[in-house]
Amino acid sequence: DVKVTQSSRYLVKRTGEKVFLECVQDMDHENMFWYRQDPGLGLRLIYFSYDVKMKEKGDIPEGYSVSREKKERFSLILESASTNQTSMYLCASIDNNSGANVLTFGAGSRLTVL
Amino acid sequence: AQSVTQPDIHITVSEGASLELRCNYSYGATPYLFWYVQSPGQGLQLLLKYFSGDTLVQGIKGFEAEFKRSQSSFNLRKPSVHWSDAAEYFCAVGPHQAGTALIFGKGTTLSVSS
Repeated sequence: DVKVTQSSRYLVKRTGEKVFLECVQDMDHENMFWYRQDPGLGLRLIYFSYDVKMKEKGDIPEGYSVSREKKERFSLILESASTNQTSMYLCASIDNNSGANVLTFGAGSRLTVL
Repeated sequence: AQSVTQPDIHITVSEGASLELRCNYSYGATPYLFWYVQSPGQGLQLLLKYFSGDTLVQGIKGFEAEFKRSQSSFNLRKPSVHWSDAAEYFCAVGPHQAGTALIFGKGTTLSVSS
């Protein structure tokens, strides 16, 4: 089974800090995604990447950036964390060659910004 | 605009009772359709998916869903709910194009009473 690992399950940061959320998948998937999950708002796409060093903005990219230096790793960066970025962050990956758009998710990283 | 609507924010059913969670979508073409489940503190797990063919699809944990093109719906059902089914359920749609992001509904929280 594909495994998507988010190394930090819970983080507490202060306003203005730079925050890195790491995601690693072990099945050579081309595409990776970062979603943000908030109560009553569901999942909203922040950024995605379809190849190393490639990235595309999702629906809510403001305040975030991403990095994909290796195929298996996709990092979400908050350059200067703000309290409105307190949320659950979910990473996912997908196999382009499967013919199906089945996302595999990590367990999530819950970020609190004080 | 492409969207997914889950009309019920929160549903409570008795253990052993039947369940139906509603999902309506707005999409330009026939989409891929998915139901995911999220247990507290966890990432999302795929319950079932519809790509083509038989409009009644079976998933894991005894769930099924029916695609109704005329109603733009993909409702999730289970004949007898177990206490362990208490979770948040997300309906999602995506295009017939490999590797693209999914659009998620805002979720329905299921509580199970004894």
